Amino acid sequence: GESVGLHLPTLSVQEGDNSIINCAYSNSASDYFIWYKQESGKGPQFIIDIRSNMDKRQGQRVTVLLNKTVKHLSLQIAATQPGDSAVYFCAENGAGGFKTIFGAGTRLFVKA
Amino acid sequence: DTGVSQDPRHKITKRGQNVTFRCDPISEHNRLYWYRQTLGQGPEFLTYFQNEAQLEKSRLLSDRFSAERPKGSFSTLEIQRTEQGDSAMYLCASSLVAGHGNNFYFGPGTRLLVL
Repeated sequence: GESVGLHLPTLSVQEGDNSIINCAYSNSASDYFIWYKQESGKGPQFIIDIRSNMDKRQGQRVTVLLNKTVKHLSLQIAATQPGDSAVYFCAENGAGGFKTIFGAGTRLFVKA
Repeated sequence: DTGVSQDPRHKITKRGQNVTFRCDPISEHNRLYWYRQTLGQGPEFLTYFQNEAQLEKSRLLSDRFSAERPKGSFSTLEIQRTEQGDSAMYLCASSLVAGHGNNFYFGPGTRLLVL
């Protein structure tokens, strides 16, 4: 079946450093991927997305990289700030866009 | 506030009791989704509606679970005869028909604890 998973459960970085969060997916037919941020007590919030016809997409301080050959997705956060501390999920949007499948998440700790 | 809202935010119940949660989506969104999230895990899809029609249900949604969206606006999720394994965060999300990640909005969730 489909699965989206993450390599590391936790990541600790120094404030100001860049963060890289990795994700592996198993469904080679997946064509749309999303990164979400979830802060304590809140629902997931959209960060950035990428379609399978792209290998890189940049947002504000965030970049998503997609490697379809090895079915790997990463989220890069530049100049990580304390407000970036949260759990980050990669997700795949299913056919028709109606169902989003989430991985287990990586908790990011930002040290001041 | 124009976001997705959920009520209650927290619910503690005893095993065997019934509980009902409510979700109010963003007003112009015609798709509404329910997810369940356990500690340390990503949200798991339960079911979704397009307007008032329930179009898909996950196998996670046992017979004790029922969801409705009678007028195509707010939705309720009921769990009958709750079990300790039902303890989780129940998340609601809404989107437009062609909603993708950046048009898919989650509510704050209802955290359920079954004693």
